[in-house]
Amino acid sequence: DTEVTQTPKHLVMGMTNKKSLKCEQHMGHRAMYWYKQKAKKPPELMFVYSYEKLSINESVPSRFSPECPNSSLLNLHLHALQPEDSALYLCASSPTPRTGILYNEQFFGPGTRLTVL
Amino acid sequence: AQSVTQLGSHVSVSEGALVLLRCNYSSSVPPYLFWYVQYPNQGLQLLLKYTTGATLVKGINGFEAEFKKSETSFHLTKPSAHMSDAAEYFCAVRDVSGGYNKLIFGAGTRLAVHP
Repeated sequence: DTEVTQTPKHLVMGMTNKKSLKCEQHMGHRAMYWYKQKAKKPPELMFVYSYEKLSINESVPSRFSPECPNSSLLNLHLHALQPEDSALYLCASSPTPRTGILYNEQFFGPGTRLTVL
Repeated sequence: AQSVTQLGSHVSVSEGALVLLRCNYSSSVPPYLFWYVQYPNQGLQLLLKYTTGATLVKGINGFEAEFKKSETSFHLTKPSAHMSDAAEYFCAVRDVSGGYNKLIFGAGTRLAVHP
């Protein structure tokens, strides 16, 4: 299984809602990532999890709350979002979070298209 | 710090023509470089990567890229474009700051292929 899966594929929520995005991989990867991608822009890194621990938070507002319950799962909890948070949210994984490993590409999921009304 | 510049936000070619997408990088360490493709409403798919060794790298779907250290470039080419190649292409360099594996993406190039 060389796939990263994300659910749901589409999500529409109001500004007062609480929702969660889910990401799963079964490749034994120990690094997982959340990216935000606005239309016609490159992905922007939000969070990096290393061995199930949050390692990097790229100054993301607290209305986004990541969680890594185990080595295969990554969640992104959403609360009190703003319309400008509407975007494609991409999950990725890589074998290891460390930089000393030669082959360490990131594998991306298909994304969740989020619309905040 | 690492950075990536993709020259040309839009490239249009005829079916069967050469595809050339340009990428220049800046890196304070030997770079690991990647090309990803993104089809509409989909995630990113790795086309090819350069880490060390052979500077001409072959990827999927007939694409290849050549790492040129003297020019700090990693341009993506395909000899003959196909309609199915129409997509957004991102060049990326691995960022090693902070001790963790991160990707720095270029702004992207949208490739259009017309009959």
